[in-house]
Amino acid sequence: RKEVEQDPGPFNVPEGATVAFNCTYSNSASQSFFWYRQDCRKEPKLLMSVYSSGNEDGRFTAQLNRASQYISLLIRDSKLSDSATYLCVVNLGNTGKLIFGQGTTLQVKP
Amino acid sequence: NAGVTQTPKFRVLKTGQSMTLLCAQDMNHEYMYWYRQDPGMGLRLIHYSVGEGTTAKGEVPDGYNVSRLKKQNFLLGLESAAPSQTSVYFCASSGQGWYGELFFGEGSRLTVL
Repeated sequence: RKEVEQDPGPFNVPEGATVAFNCTYSNSASQSFFWYRQDCRKEPKLLMSVYSSGNEDGRFTAQLNRASQYISLLIRDSKLSDSATYLCVVNLGNTGKLIFGQGTTLQVKP
Repeated sequence: NAGVTQTPKFRVLKTGQSMTLLCAQDMNHEYMYWYRQDPGMGLRLIHYSVGEGTTAKGEVPDGYNVSRLKKQNFLLGLESAAPSQTSVYFCASSGQGWYGELFFGEGSRLTVL
């Protein structure tokens, strides 16, 4: 089993739709959680850190569920410019290893 | 504003050749990482470093060696390149360890024939 798993998609949604991605992790001692965005195999860029209390940044909301060991990303009112690959990142246990999920591809259609 | 710089950006090797990828950061970050990315896959951790003089194995360390002799540089070596090492390699650094944002270089595309 992979340490960090995502549904690769693709998710094809119309503009204005709400879409949600999940990411599961296997190590219950993990402490740091992030969502990154990657465009066309360029370098990934931080989208959001994920905090225990959940956090929101405009149309984006991230949640952490420690009991079930997953994080989620909700995108409201999807824009064409949201089309990208979304990567979750989790540190492995109590180590500096930052492990990426496979990535989820989002295509927003007009 | 250099941030994280990777050299070279492109390289073609023959099987069995050796090479070194250089990652340099000017942000005084302690943590540095090397990842590889293959088509349809996320980034897989090769090796990482939590400070000058330290290195540790990641998910896919076989066939690679690393060194962190200076805080600002993290070198990734391929001693005997294999076609399976054809990939895009990304270097990243973090100033807050595993709690902080990863800053990436633009990637190095390596082809092994």
